[in-house]
Amino acid sequence: EPEVTQTPSHQVTQMGQEVILRCVPISNHLYFYWYRQILGQKVEFLVSFYNNEISEKSEIFDDQFSVERPDGSNFTLKIRSTKLEDSAMYFCASTELVQETQYFGPGTRLLVL
Amino acid sequence: RKEVEQDPGPFNVPEGATVAFNCTYSNSASQSFFWYRQDCRKEPKLLMSVYSSGNEDGRFTAQLNRASQYISLLIRDSKLSDSATYLCVVNIRMNYGGSQGNLIFGKGTKLSVKP
Repeated sequence: EPEVTQTPSHQVTQMGQEVILRCVPISNHLYFYWYRQILGQKVEFLVSFYNNEISEKSEIFDDQFSVERPDGSNFTLKIRSTKLEDSAMYFCASTELVQETQYFGPGTRLLVL
Repeated sequence: RKEVEQDPGPFNVPEGATVAFNCTYSNSASQSFFWYRQDCRKEPKLLMSVYSSGNEDGRFTAQLNRASQYISLLIRDSKLSDSATYLCVVNIRMNYGGSQGNLIFGKGTKLSVKP
């Protein structure tokens, strides 16, 4: 069964450093998403991406965040200058054109020290 | 006002018990409704979509009341493997460009099924 994959599974970084989180969505999916979940809190939407551009973004997704689909398979989330409060689990999700079910990757656990 | 609210839990039940989860949502533009389950430190996984007429999948039954903006999930004959956090999720579809909208999650209700 096809699945969304994410790398790395864990990332530890120093405050102020840049991190890039990588995702490979399911191959025939066209809509891509990033969500985050701070420990003990709910899953929160960050950004959606379709046709090589951002469709929608939340207020969390400020100028420190960017997304890119550099090739036909990868979907990346970049945090330019990490803050302590960026520590969270980051989930990538994808969905087909007409279906609404979003399939989640296993997540990247980011720890900012 | 929280967008998606769920029973705080945790629910601790014996094997074989029937357990019900409730959820309310605040945005009447919500178009699609789901129950996801999340195991500790894992990703959310779709349990079932929720349809207006109500739907059943084995031991799981989901109900939707649009007028009351209320969603429920019933688990019958609970198993040890049902232990997880159950997430109520809504999707508010945007009206432009074919966007699928984004998922809005409740905080989840933790279920622990004991032998």
